[in-house]
Amino acid sequence: GENVEQHPSTLSVQEGDSAVIKCTYSDSASNYFPWYKQELGKRPQLIIDIRSNVGEKKDQRIAVTLNKTAKHFSLHITETQPEDSAVYFCAANLPGTASKLTFGTGTRLQVTL
Amino acid sequence: ETGVTQTPRHLVMGMTNKKSLKCEQHLGHNAMYWYKQSAKKPLELMFVYSLEERVENNSVPSRFSPECPNSSHLFLHLHTLQPEDSALYLCASSRTRSLSGELFFGEGSRLTVL
Repeated sequence: GENVEQHPSTLSVQEGDSAVIKCTYSDSASNYFPWYKQELGKRPQLIIDIRSNVGEKKDQRIAVTLNKTAKHFSLHITETQPEDSAVYFCAANLPGTASKLTFGTGTRLQVTL
Repeated sequence: ETGVTQTPRHLVMGMTNKKSLKCEQHLGHNAMYWYKQSAKKPLELMFVYSLEERVENNSVPSRFSPECPNSSHLFLHLHTLQPEDSALYLCASSRTRSLSGELFFGEGSRLTVL
């Protein structure tokens, strides 16, 4: 089955700096890669996603890049703000079983003043 | 708000108790999911229902029993649980069970098994 690895597990950056979280996946047939943000005590929420027919997608300060050859995708947050502090999860779909997403173990991002 | 509500938010139970978690969605979605979230582990898919039919069961122990009486409601019945079952149980819904779209999560039910 699909295996998704996520690094780092924790990340601390100063306000205004950039943050990068990286994920790798094992099944080259995966074609959908969402990122979820979970604030402390809150529900996970989709912040951005990318499909395998594109290499990069941006939404204001957030961007995701996908390298299909290397089977990795990354989340980039620029000009970080304290409200970006949360746990971020990457995921990849498991082809052939439309109902399954495999999640990474999460990255706890702390934005310090 | 995402329109997915879970009750109770917190639950403490003994190993011999029987309890149920409830999930309700008002988004008109056709698929609903139960996930288990444990510390330092990936979100684990437990069950998937599509149009009230169970379509996925990820080798979950029989002490967890799901029920989907209609497309808006999902239950997780719990009995004779173990301490290692303590976790956050998240319900989610999606428009269809094709995962090319967004999962909408509830805020979870924090379960502690004593």
